[in-house]
Amino acid sequence: DTGVSQDPRHKITKRGQNVTFRCDPISEHNRLYWYRQTLGQGPEFLTYFQNEAQLEKSRLLSDRFSAERPKGSFSTLEIQRTEQGDSAMYLCASSPLGGSPLHFGNGTRLTVT
Amino acid sequence: AQTVTQSQPEMSVQEAETVTLSCTYDTSESDYYLFWYKQPPSRQMILVIRQEAYKQQNATENRFSVNFQKAAKSFSLKISDSQLGDAAMYFCAYENNFNKFYFGSGTKLNVKP
Repeated sequence: DTGVSQDPRHKITKRGQNVTFRCDPISEHNRLYWYRQTLGQGPEFLTYFQNEAQLEKSRLLSDRFSAERPKGSFSTLEIQRTEQGDSAMYLCASSPLGGSPLHFGNGTRLTVT
Repeated sequence: AQTVTQSQPEMSVQEAETVTLSCTYDTSESDYYLFWYKQPPSRQMILVIRQEAYKQQNATENRFSVNFQKAAKSFSLKISDSQLGDAAMYFCAYENNFNKFYFGSGTKLNVKP
């Protein structure tokens, strides 16, 4: 068990640029989640997958956000035309099945200038 | 949609003393899972304790225990013999029947030496 890995750890971008984050879950985990966390707040749900199928995407997310999980392995989260309000920590987590706790990565901290 | 409420933004406890963090949730489901997670400053979120709603017995993990009141939809975390390493943000989380996790806004725990 090597844990959930996220890359990059930090990303600084200018407003209007596109960014992509990667998450590698624990290998035997078929569920993968993306959350966004701002300072002093709890994780906010973005989307989640079971294997390669995206089960739900938060209604709070604009069309600038998209996520994929090809072949049910790693996942990418893309933000197009970034805005300053997108600055946050983006957390990835995985779990093997229902009722099991989430295993979190270290997160990707995005700063939009 | 389920909601999770943590009404204590910040709490303090003296080292070796006991502290209780509160959490309430709103749901119409009968079977679900509840979790407490710990997030140390600038570090990964990790599981503290897990509770199945169909179990009446309160979960316990070493110095950590919960008081689960299903009818009241309350799920508090008790930390006994507090240690300096317990200082962190604590998040209460609810997993629904679709394996979607909802988090509270967190309680920052300070431990005084």
